[in-house]
Amino acid sequence: DTGVSQDPRHKITKRGQNVTFRCDPISEHNRLYWYRQTLGQGPEFLTYFQNEAQLEKSRLLSDRFSAERPKGSFSTLEIQRTEQGDSAMYLCASSLPGWQDNTGELFFGEGSRLTVL
Amino acid sequence: AQSVTQPDIHITVSEGASLELRCNYSYGATPYLFWYVQSPGQGLQLLLKYFSGDTLVQGIKGFEAEFKRSQSSFNLRKPSVHWSDAAEYFCAVGRFMDSSYKLIFGSGTRLLVRP
Repeated sequence: DTGVSQDPRHKITKRGQNVTFRCDPISEHNRLYWYRQTLGQGPEFLTYFQNEAQLEKSRLLSDRFSAERPKGSFSTLEIQRTEQGDSAMYLCASSLPGWQDNTGELFFGEGSRLTVL
Repeated sequence: AQSVTQPDIHITVSEGASLELRCNYSYGATPYLFWYVQSPGQGLQLLLKYFSGDTLVQGIKGFEAEFKRSQSSFNLRKPSVHWSDAAEYFCAVGRFMDSSYKLIFGSGTRLLVRP
């Protein structure tokens, strides 16, 4: 399968612990996105990478959140000192480079569900 | 600011009946528009997209959507719903700013299908 891969799919943690999620995008995609989705809501943008450069961060990405894409391939999203309000599905997406053939579609992974007790 | 409104939180239709899910957007330029579907506990799958040309676009699973610039709408339709269509549907607009691009999603419409 050559789709977007996320790991782990589920994570249960206690409040105050740190968690890290990994995303492997489709191999030829240079753009990578993280979104957060809470129950009954649409996905909310967190951050965006083009290659290894983090080009945009949402106000939702507090100081406890950090995302990296060190070699322009896979990405990690770390949440430090988790809070119950961090419980959500964290979705990763990727897209093709360039704009001539890119109609702006994002390809999503199946998500990493976080439960903070 | 760009935004997407899906006014219906839930819609229930009978199997075999027609379906229309509403989506209104706010965007200054010609938008890229998308409909995604999400089954419980899963990621998002693209149903269809519009970026230019014919305002009626066909997608997968028998879905279609029509872009109406005058109404800032991009409603999703299906002539005959199947039980397997029960899911959450999200409309999204692509937003360009400087060197950045992202999708902005609506809050979704949950489709329930009566047998």
